[in-house]
Amino acid sequence: DAGITQSPRYKITETGRQVTLMCHQTWSHSYMFWYRQDLGHGLRLIYYSAAADITDKGEVPDGYVVSRSKTENFPLTLESATRSQTSVYFCASRTGYYSTDTQYFGPGTRLTVL
Amino acid sequence: TQLLEQSPQFLSIQEGENLTVYCNSSSVFSSLQWYRQEPGEGPVLLVTVVTGGEVKKLKRLTFQFGDARKDSSLHITAAQTGDTGLYLCAGALGRGGSNYKLTFGKGTLLTVNP
Repeated sequence: DAGITQSPRYKITETGRQVTLMCHQTWSHSYMFWYRQDLGHGLRLIYYSAAADITDKGEVPDGYVVSRSKTENFPLTLESATRSQTSVYFCASRTGYYSTDTQYFGPGTRLTVL
Repeated sequence: TQLLEQSPQFLSIQEGENLTVYCNSSSVFSSLQWYRQEPGEGPVLLVTVVTGGEVKKLKRLTFQFGDARKDSSLHITAAQTGDTGLYLCAGALGRGGSNYKLTFGKGTLLTVNP
């Protein structure tokens, strides 16, 4: 089915472990985003990608790494997970460059770091 | 300091009532979007407004962008239980190179009781 998917949907890990969250979209949108959603903070941008091999930091990039070797995939890696990274993570893709272009969100990954 | 302030944070009403939620800022936005998010899912775009004073209607939902493009409101007429969810506003500051980023408010959690 066309759309944007995230995996896993739920993940529990321990402090210090490496975790990779996957994001896949079938529309061939150039622009993709990673956000985290926390109570009291709302949605905050972690990283952004304009195309394959082009990425840029958002508001809260520390502790995260992204890659984009293919247009359809945009994985987010927590190199050494910390408890403060417990959150719900949303991937999004957008039809165009501008904020007025339609942005589609995935269903989210709920990550718990013990 | 939150760039976009949403109020109220929580709203619980009976089916059939009218309601208005607000999104305010001291900054001028080039565009503003409203999203609805249901539990366990990602936000879904409802509307984008770009012109000061603009009013858009989506069935029972009416969206307004302030004349100075610093605030917006969402009015729901005759609320239904299906309107229950988290309503998020998101704005883009500036033009050109910075226009791709969206800043989200913390949201208004609406519960419509039968």
